[in-house]
This record gives sequence, C-alpha cells and structure tokens, in this order.
Amino acid sequence: GAVVSQHPSWVICKSGTSVKIECRSLDFQATTMFWYRQFPKQSLMLMATSNEGSKATYEQGVEKDKFLINHASLTLSTLTVTSAHPEDSSFYICSASEWTGMNTGELFFGEGSRLTVL
Amino acid sequence: QKEVEQNSGPLSVPEGAIASLNCTYSDRGSQSFFWYRQYSGKSPELIMFIYSNGDKEDGRFTAQLNKASQYVSLLIRDSQPSDSATYLCAVSSTNAGKSTFGDGTTLTVKP
Repeated sequence: GAVVSQHPSWVICKSGTSVKIECRSLDFQATTMFWYRQFPKQSLMLMATSNEGSKATYEQGVEKDKFLINHASLTLSTLTVTSAHPEDSSFYICSASEWTGMNTGELFFGEGSRLTVL
Repeated sequence: QKEVEQNSGPLSVPEGAIASLNCTYSDRGSQSFFWYRQYSGKSPELIMFIYSNGDKEDGRFTAQLNKASQYVSLLIRDSQPSDSATYLCAVSSTNAGKSTFGDGTTLTVKP
C-alpha cells in the first residue's frame, strides 16, 4: 500500500508557542489529505480536508486561524497549531487517498504526532 | 443518531474463536465501506474495504455488506492475541477519500 510519513512523532511545547506537523506521501501523489485529532479513548475527529494548491476545508467547530493548513505540493501538507494551549494536547493524524483513476477511497495514515502542551 | 455506529465493546473472545464486529450507517448514499485497525497509541491501518452487497474474504478476515439494512460487519476467524486492537468502521459517499468514522470497537483476544 501507499506510504504516508508524518513528522514529528511527538512534540512537547510550552503554552503559547506554535507547532508545525508535516505529512508527506512518499510514493504517490496526494491531491487531498486529511487531518484528524484523536483524544484518548475517543475516535478520530476530522479537522479539515487539505487540497493541494487551494485553501483547506475545515469541519464545523474547528478554528481555521488556530489550525493552519498548507498543502503546497502534491506530496506535502502541513498543520500548524498556533498559540498552542494545554487543551490542544492530542494525537494528530494525517491521511491521504491515492488517486489512480479508479479510486477505491481507502485512506493511508501517517504515523501520528502526539502533541503535549505544557 | 450518529452517522456511523459501532458497538463500543469491549469485545472479548478466546484465542481461536471468531470475532464479530458490527457497524450501521445512516447515509443511504454511502458507496464505500472500510474497516481499519488501530493499535493503542498508533494510527489506523486499513484491513479491508467493500463496495458491493455480500461477503468479501481476505485471509482470516471477512467483510459483509448489506446496503438494504445499512449494515456492514467484519468477521475475524481464528482470532489471535495480536488481533487485540480497536476496529474502526468508516463509510464514504464519494471516492475522494473523505470518510466518516465510527467510534470503534475494542477487541481483546485472550490466550
């Protein structure tokens, strides 16, 4: 299957700082990537859909000015948590769907980034 | 009503038994159905996908889809302790990758 790499795997930062998380599709082009947040013992919550070359589409209730998403190329999307606070501590996961013309729609996930805000 | 509902579990089965995981969905326009496995502290990984009514088998895993009943299930035969994980059901109405996930069912396979 396709490979999606996410970096960093974990990050600890002070309250008020910004953190950038990268998501790369290593062996395919991803016109669309997705960003999720997952709190302990809860399911994935879709935050936004990242489209290459255009603005991200945010889900209801997700602050677009706080969670900045950039999808500058077909293989890279970034999520920046701006002015992070302890309540932003969570497991952030990206995913991508490989478009082959006969897309099946399955998602390939990055390894996830565990953010802890002190 | 949630768009995708799963039994929260936990579901516990002995090693070698069949584990049955169930999922219902509300959007009749749904076209693609996926099962992902997520180990604790890790990101999800795809196990199976199914589009057509009926059964689809892959090794020890069988996915079953009944669109009339808006029901999809995953059977795991000869369950192994390494199958212990949370299983996420996901449903998509497009082929663009945007899926709606259930809350997951936690499975424990006891040796």
